[in-house]
Amino acid sequence: QSVLTQPPSASGTPGQRVTISCSGSSSNIGIKDVFWYQQLPGTAPKLLIYKNNQRPSGVPDRFSGSKSGTSASLAISGLRSEDEADYYCAAWDGRLSGRLFGGGTKLTVL
Amino acid sequence: EVQLVESGGGLVKSGESLRISCAASGFTFSSYVMNWVRQAPGKGLEWVSSININSRYIVYSDSVKGRFTISRDNVKNSVYLQMNNLRAEDTAVYYCTREDGEAFDVWGQGTMVTVSS
Repeated sequence: QSVLTQPPSASGTPGQRVTISCSGSSSNIGIKDVFWYQQLPGTAPKLLIYKNNQRPSGVPDRFSGSKSGTSASLAISGLRSEDEADYYCAAWDGRLSGRLFGGGTKLTVL
Repeated sequence: EVQLVESGGGLVKSGESLRISCAASGFTFSSYVMNWVRQAPGKGLEWVSSININSRYIVYSDSVKGRFTISRDNVKNSVYLQMNNLRAEDTAVYYCTREDGEAFDVWGQGTMVTVSS
């Protein structure tokens, strides 16, 4: 069971805005940066958001991240069919002295 | 082109050992922390281990501590994961990742390790 909690699934129609939450604690999200990864079907994960709200070059500005207290969120606006993927949040945990991943959220574009 | 290529995966029996490798190219390997992350079939991502640039700081997840050993060779631009006393629950795709400012910004394609009981 992941210490970072994500909803197992999310969905939306093309053009909609969807958000995916990631809930942690004072030993991880509360004190460390949050990262988001996108895993398209059958492929390796890809860095989507770093340091809570920064986008690597090449990531569309439709993707945005935020953090407040011990929780974080990933928002995807203007949803497209190619956004259908698994999304994972991640953060360092000071108590465990290791990196944590959320359980992942499967996004379906209806 | 920045690239990570894993190799060495395969089918082993419970209790056996296996060593997987990751060859880096296209960047100054010795300047980056490297990690292993695994993904069991149909499951989520699980961080396994991290090694810093000079191998002096190494950490493991509790699930592999005492059984797995991470190492690196900055001359060969490679990172390794020696896995001993393998268990069925270690069955997964193992990804090598580059770490930049705590972000796993480059991932390999993964190598499959299957442990039969």
